[in-house]
Amino acid sequence: AQSVTQLDSHVSVSEGTPVLLRCNYSSSYSPSLFWYVQHPNKGLQLLLKYTSAATLVKGINGFEAEFKKSETSFHLTKPSAHMSDAAEYFCVVSVGGSQGNLIFGKGTKLSVKP
Amino acid sequence: EAQVTQNPRYLITVTGKKLTVTCSQNMNHEYMSWYRQDPGLGLRQIYYSMNVEVTDKGDVPEGYKVSRKEKRNFPLILESPSPNQTSLYFCASSFPTSGRAKGSYNEQFFGPGTRLTVL
Repeated sequence: AQSVTQLDSHVSVSEGTPVLLRCNYSSSYSPSLFWYVQHPNKGLQLLLKYTSAATLVKGINGFEAEFKKSETSFHLTKPSAHMSDAAEYFCVVSVGGSQGNLIFGKGTKLSVKP
Repeated sequence: EAQVTQNPRYLITVTGKKLTVTCSQNMNHEYMSWYRQDPGLGLRQIYYSMNVEVTDKGDVPEGYKVSRKEKRNFPLILESPSPNQTSLYFCASSFPTSGRAKGSYNEQFFGPGTRLTVL
């Protein structure tokens, strides 16, 4: 069965320091993986996606994620946090096939201190 | 502007009073879906639709109904709402993938959310 685990419910960093949000997945076949961001009182916005092309995926706002099949991980990183990055981040795995279901992680809330 | 719209954005109602939350997309997407978001649980899928007149249950379908009579609209119906359906609801849409490897899928575009409170 497919599943996704976000290892931290809350991450706090200082502005200008690196960001690491961890995600592990379980999938019966080659998955598609996504990171979405949700700013307070807003909908979800796609940050980046992995669909079996390059393993290092670059997204918007300077974020990137690396797909590591051997570790079943898809961690999200950013070299230097900005105050505007404070939000909740969701790692998502697709079930795919004809079902089209997405499985969401429980989210990681990122706080950025001045 | 390409978008997914939901109405209403906020709703307070009472137990047992039937309600409908509408969802509409203008991107000609075949796939549409409803999720609920609860603190500490992330988003959980309620129902989805692969195309007109094709709907199926997600992970938490109990207490909900949907219909897909037109491609652009996918309303969520609560026939007899209960307090445990108090939540933040999101509609989403995407193009499905044809001929791709199993497991791959297009990203979904989300509506702004509907905050529902059932007293």
